[in-house]
This record gives sequence, structure tokens and C-alpha cells, in this order.
Amino acid sequence: KNQVEQSPQSLIILEGKNCTLQCNYTVSPFSNLRWYKQDTGRGPVSLTIMTFSENTKSNGRYTATLDADTKQSSLHITASQLSDSASYICVVKAQTGANNLFFGTGTRLTVIP
Amino acid sequence: ETGVTQSPTHLIKTRGQQVTLRCSSQSGHNTVSWYQQALGQGPQFIFQYYREEENGRGNFPPRFSGLQFPNYSSELNVNALELDDSALYLCASSLASGVSNEQFFGPGTRLTVL
Repeated sequence: KNQVEQSPQSLIILEGKNCTLQCNYTVSPFSNLRWYKQDTGRGPVSLTIMTFSENTKSNGRYTATLDADTKQSSLHITASQLSDSASYICVVKAQTGANNLFFGTGTRLTVIP
Repeated sequence: ETGVTQSPTHLIKTRGQQVTLRCSSQSGHNTVSWYQQALGQGPQFIFQYYREEENGRGNFPPRFSGLQFPNYSSELNVNALELDDSALYLCASSLASGVSNEQFFGPGTRLTVL
């Protein structure tokens, strides 16, 4: 069964600190993995996309990693800002099927001053 | 902003009523997908439309139906509303032939069923 699990469910950190969010998946055959940021009441916005051959990709203060062998990904946020408060959703795409996107339930990050 | 727009932004209905939600896709995109996102959950796939035809459906009953128009905008219709239909409804547009096939999400419509 294709599944995407994220941890932790929620996280509170102080402004300026770093944090790492985890995503484990069982989706097969794997196509790509995206991390989305979703502000409260808004639609998700893509941060990074990882394909099978990519291990690390950065987008500003966001760095995503992918281990395709263990089917794990992480999103590392450096020097957090108050505006980083949001839900971060891991989405894994399978190679086939119209319904081929599998969403995690997200990690709710709160950055406090 | 992704260029995907949805209307209305908020909606309150009572149980048993019908609702129509609208989505305008990003320019050049021919595929629209609809998702239901309950509070604290990830989006759940409802269905996808490609060139005006339904192109895949998730585990939702027939009272959830949709349309895609020649300009690739789309509607989601829900009949006989139930309390559990209260959620954020997201539409996402994409270019089916794109290599990465990235979906661009709209801001969502918050539906409350009383």
C-alpha cells in the first residue's frame, strides 16, 4: 500500500533555531518527492522537488535530502523565522496512475520569538 | 501566488444543500485536480480532469461531481451535503505533458456545513 508518513506531527521552535522534518514513504514505483509549505487556510506551495538520483537540494534556508534506498526524506530549515510557521507536507509521486500523488498529513511548525 | 484562483473563499451551507466551487487554472495548464483537506490532515484526492474528461477519481461518493470547461477552468459540485464535508477544498492545475508535472495549488475554498 502506498503511504507517506511524516514526523513529528507538530513542532515548536525558537526563532533563529534550526529544525528537521522527516518523511518516510512506501510509494512504488517512485517518481519524485516534493516538499510543500502550506500557510494556514492557504494552498500548498512547492519548496523543492527530488528525483531518484538526487540526494540533496536547497532552496534558500530550506534543504531537502532523499535516501531512495531507505525511502526517507528530510527537510531541514536553517535559522528559522516567524514566517516559517506553517504546515510542511511531503508529497510522493508514483510513476503510474492518474491518482499518483500521495500526501503526508504534514508537520505543523510554529516558530516563536 | 501560483496563478490558480478559486471562488468563493469561504462558504457556509446546511446539511442536505448543494454547493458549487470554482477554479481557474494557471495559464497554459490543461489538467485540474480537486482535493479535500480536513483540518489537520493532508489533502485527499477527489478527482482529476484533463481536457474536459474525468481522468481519475479518488475514494469519494458520486455526490461529488465535476466539470472542466474548454478554457480549462473547473467546477466541483457536491450534492446532499453532510457535516463531514466541512473542509478546505483545493484545486491544483498542471500541464499533463510536463516532465515534473508539478501541481500549482489555489488558495482553497473553506466550506462549513452546519
